[in-house]
Amino acid sequence: QVQLVQSGSEVQKPGASVTVSCEASGFPFSTYWFHWVRQAPGQGLEWMAIINAEGGETTYAEKFQDRLTLTRDTSTNTVYMQLSRLTSDDTAVYFCARDRVTNGLLITGDSWGQGTLVTVSS
Amino acid sequence: DIQLTQSPSTLSASVGDRITITCRASQRINTWLAWYRQEPGKAPNLLIYAASNLERGVPPRFSGSGSGTQFTLTISSLQPDDIATYYCQQYNSYPWTFGPGTRVDIK
Repeated sequence: QVQLVQSGSEVQKPGASVTVSCEASGFPFSTYWFHWVRQAPGQGLEWMAIINAEGGETTYAEKFQDRLTLTRDTSTNTVYMQLSRLTSDDTAVYFCARDRVTNGLLITGDSWGQGTLVTVSS
Repeated sequence: DIQLTQSPSTLSASVGDRITITCRASQRINTWLAWYRQEPGKAPNLLIYAASNLERGVPPRFSGSGSGTQFTLTISSLQPDDIATYYCQQYNSYPWTFGPGTRVDIK
């Protein structure tokens, strides 16, 4: 079945970087797009960026443009999210999600990873 | 960026009630709107895509409507399992954005 499995929780110091992985299984990885969403404690959902698994094209939300990098590895069916220059405001649960196209219609977020808690603390 | 507002922010209703949540966009987004349900500590779960299409496996008591700037999510008969926070999301243009959420609980 369709699965997105994310890497485990992280604790990082301010100014450091973090990389979260999202391994896909149960479907042809390269034909999908993946996006990342985060959720600070007790807050709503915030869209961060999207990557095309086939060609690696990316689009970032402007607020993350200069410190967020999405990559993918088609040999391991894994998408990576690297966020640099961390501050306490980046403490959140980070989710990856899959988008599919059915009958020419884009369907966003039809499958999600379990979430990865990133805590930024000195 | 396209801003989404949701109303109400919280909703308390009885089992069996019909409830409606509204999502308004600051710009026209055609029908590029999704609805999600999220339980505490879990990932969001897609309910509706393209404003009115029921995702496979989602109970038919959920329905969506609207286009342009105003959208609604309706639960025709509220069930105890429906206690959650509901979010709308536009995917008409980047950055995709979410509404602030509507928390639903049972009276």
